[in-house]
Amino acid sequence: GAGVSQSPSNKVTEKGKDVELRCDPISGHTALYWYRQSLGQGLEFLIYFQGNSAPDKSGLPSDRFSAERTGGSVSTLTIQRTQQEDSAVYLCASSPQWTGELFFGEGSRLTVL
Amino acid sequence: QKEVEQNSGPLSVPEGAIASLNCTYSDRVSQSFFWYRQYSGKSPELIMSIYSNGDKEDGRFTAQLNKASQYVSLLIRDSQPSDSATYLCAVEGGSSYKLIFGSGTRLLVRP
Repeated sequence: GAGVSQSPSNKVTEKGKDVELRCDPISGHTALYWYRQSLGQGLEFLIYFQGNSAPDKSGLPSDRFSAERTGGSVSTLTIQRTQQEDSAVYLCASSPQWTGELFFGEGSRLTVL
Repeated sequence: QKEVEQNSGPLSVPEGAIASLNCTYSDRVSQSFFWYRQYSGKSPELIMSIYSNGDKEDGRFTAQLNKASQYVSLLIRDSQPSDSATYLCAVEGGSSYKLIFGSGTRLLVRP
């Protein structure tokens, strides 16, 4: 499809397990963002990529969170040793260069039991 | 102090009225400002961007920016029940390309 694609759409995991969330941005978009949205809350910035580099990792909540982007395209957000407070919807967005005009995927809903 | 502040609402207006949504931000060097709309259970979508002081109109939507007061607003004229959603204000993070979102204002348009 032409939009931002995220997978899985839903993930239920047990506390302590690792999870990987994938984002496939719109073709040609060089900027890619990850945000987290807890129930009824706003969007919490996690990380921003320009191409394959991440000039701003300041939003990652702890060292259990990491993200990478390869080939200037697909990005993976990895959460190690998941905790219940990690439960949220993880949203990926892309933009042609940096414009602030973001196109969001449908999100990956993570539930940690 | 939060970087981007919005009243959580809900803001309830009758159909056909003007809905006024407000946002303040803390970083004086921010240059780019955006309004996103998020329907329940859906992802945010961009509805307006504004970069210069003053008003910017697009159909029923008008964005207003006052950098001296660090204030952004969104007016929705002739509000429709389909406008019922959460409206998120987003501000460029000044010295970086980080886009900071407010917690959103829930708008309810009563038929």
